[in-house]
Amino acid sequence: DAGVIQSPRHEVTEMGQEVTLRCKPISGHNSLFWYRQTMMRGLELLIYFNNNVPIDDSGMPEDRFSAKMPNASFSTLKIQPSEPRDSAVYFCASSLDRVNSPLHFGNGTRLTVT
Amino acid sequence: DAKTTQPTSMDCAEGRAANLPCNHSTISGNEYVYWYRQIHSQGPQYIIHGLKNNETNEMASLIITEDRKSSTLILPHATLRDTAVYYCIAEYGNKLVFGAGTILRVKS
Repeated sequence: DAGVIQSPRHEVTEMGQEVTLRCKPISGHNSLFWYRQTMMRGLELLIYFNNNVPIDDSGMPEDRFSAKMPNASFSTLKIQPSEPRDSAVYFCASSLDRVNSPLHFGNGTRLTVT
Repeated sequence: DAKTTQPTSMDCAEGRAANLPCNHSTISGNEYVYWYRQIHSQGPQYIIHGLKNNETNEMASLIITEDRKSSTLILPHATLRDTAVYYCIAEYGNKLVFGAGTILRVKS
């Protein structure tokens, strides 16, 4: 099992540019989560999906952020336009859609917006 | 999700047991206690979880008090590779909210 795969590992972009982060969950997992981690705010849950449907996006900071899950094996988190305060590590996690099923995290994408 | 309280940091000697406490005095009857850890620059890693009974797996043991208001994660023989931030979460379901956690430093 390859685990949760995120790409790219690092992204450096200029303010105003569009950024797309990608995630491939573990095969068979039907829940997917996007988290953001900064020194100031720690790990924050942005949005999660069950069976490809967004269930709770209350953590999405602004309309500049959007997430999609077109199928069970792929999800994207898009920031348009990006701002320096979006600089963070973005983690994707997946799990079975079952109470107390552990979350499996990817290794994250480190985003730097200059 | 119930609020959890953990010490900011702890030190442990290599080879000794590391006992990480967590208070969750407002936990409700159906909320589980989860422990995750995050080693520098990696994604959080699941360790163990429990509801009422003590639990043990290949990584750690989880001791939950009878009133469920607190718990302790035990790493029986800590190694340098166990240096990480350890998160205790009380939650029902798998939508997990992470706090600041405890920085565990294992020293030789």
